[in-house]
Amino acid sequence: DIVMTQTPLSSPVTLGQPASISCRSSQSLVHSDGNTYLSWLQQRPGQPPRLLIYKISNRFSGVPDRFSGSGAGTDFTLKISRVEAEDVGVYYCMQATQFPSFGQGTKVEIK
Amino acid sequence: QVQLQESGPGLVKPSETLSLTCTVSGGSISSYYWSWIRQPPGKRLEWIGYIYYSGSTNYNPSLRSRVTISVDTSKNQFSLKLSSVTAADTAVYYCATYRRQDHYFDYWGQGTLVTVSS
Repeated sequence: DIVMTQTPLSSPVTLGQPASISCRSSQSLVHSDGNTYLSWLQQRPGQPPRLLIYKISNRFSGVPDRFSGSGAGTDFTLKISRVEAEDVGVYYCMQATQFPSFGQGTKVEIK
Repeated sequence: QVQLQESGPGLVKPSETLSLTCTVSGGSISSYYWSWIRQPPGKRLEWIGYIYYSGSTNYNPSLRSRVTISVDTSKNQFSLKLSSVTAADTAVYYCATYRRQDHYFDYWGQGTLVTVSS
């Protein structure tokens, strides 16, 4: 099983300032087909998860460009360039190179 | 846009079988892979399994012995059965679409809380 570990677990951010979340996998996420199946999801309070990023850096339809993903191998990062009030929630990384597994979540809140 | 809605009992007794159904609207059930994911209170999301409209399935190895996912194309529904439940199976259960080509979950239902208790 691939274990996903996120840091930090909580991230208080000032509105308009950047935020960054790290995600590390217990083994490489490079698939035999050459792709890396690392996604990021956002879960606002009381809502189901929402896909933000797939295959490390591809923004899903309708996702603002202040969200960006990067990384390779076992280390990945989600960045929010300027945090807005609607970005409050829990963010999860997810790998699907093997059977899907999720990080423990990072709570983004406004200072 | 695809919309998903979970339905089923909110309370299940220990050792019994949890049964949930996901109704699909706004899209054909033959167009995607269909998945179940759960989130125990205060814990991370856990993938349960997925099914294609043809009936082919893939399950989380940790749950495989207790899980059955099935699809009813005539009703545009797919279902989850989890047998021999314990309190550890208490969770919010989500149904979601799975894009097999790019390996991500895009559309999600609102989720339904299932509590295992006598």
